Amino acid sequence: DADVTQTPRNRITKTGKRIMLECSQTKGHDRMYWYRQDPGLGLRLIYYSFDVKDINKGEISDGYSVSRQAQAKFSLSLESAIPNQTALYFCATSDLRRETQYFGPGTRLLVL
Amino acid sequence: AQTVTQSQPEMSVQEAETVTLSCTYDTSENNYYLFWYKQPPSRQMILVIRQEAYKQQNATENRFSVNFQKAAKSFSLKISDSQLGDTAMYFCAFMKPLDSNYQLIWGAGTKLIIKP
Repeated sequence: DADVTQTPRNRITKTGKRIMLECSQTKGHDRMYWYRQDPGLGLRLIYYSFDVKDINKGEISDGYSVSRQAQAKFSLSLESAIPNQTALYFCATSDLRRETQYFGPGTRLLVL
Repeated sequence: AQTVTQSQPEMSVQEAETVTLSCTYDTSENNYYLFWYKQPPSRQMILVIRQEAYKQQNATENRFSVNFQKAAKSFSLKISDSQLGDTAMYFCAFMKPLDSNYQLIWGAGTKLIIKP
């Protein structure tokens, strides 16, 4: 079984709709991250969380919100989706010692 | 601000050849981490190799090795005996753990094609 899972894997939605992307991990890591990837670019950090009570904005948090429901779950919401939020979204986890991030399989989102 | 530059948008080599992907970064810090990640067509982001800046020895993982030149701020990835399964996008990433809240700064990637 994968250590970091993301649902859904693919999603098509319309402008103005609210959607949620979910991430779960079985690695036992405290830290979780949400990134987006656009064609020809590296990843950009949206939000990150170092534990259940700690949520921090990343480089491009506008238009997004997150919820850390438990140590193992970290959800990303688009309150009112817009076409320029079309991208590949990754969840990642890391632990305190290794400082290495491990990624889920990604969610491809298309906003029409 | 830290930046990561991958100057080769695309490379292609024959199977079994050796290929080197370039990465340079800009930082004034002394303690940091560098990573290479691989993204195959399946789009999964897979860690290839990790280097701590305080270690002079270059990291190796099987056919993958790095040439870490701290003074030159260069971190190239060498793939030996390349295989068809090595076809992927390769991303170089930089992390300054203490002040950056462990944020990774990414290069734009190099598309590597291994030809049979």
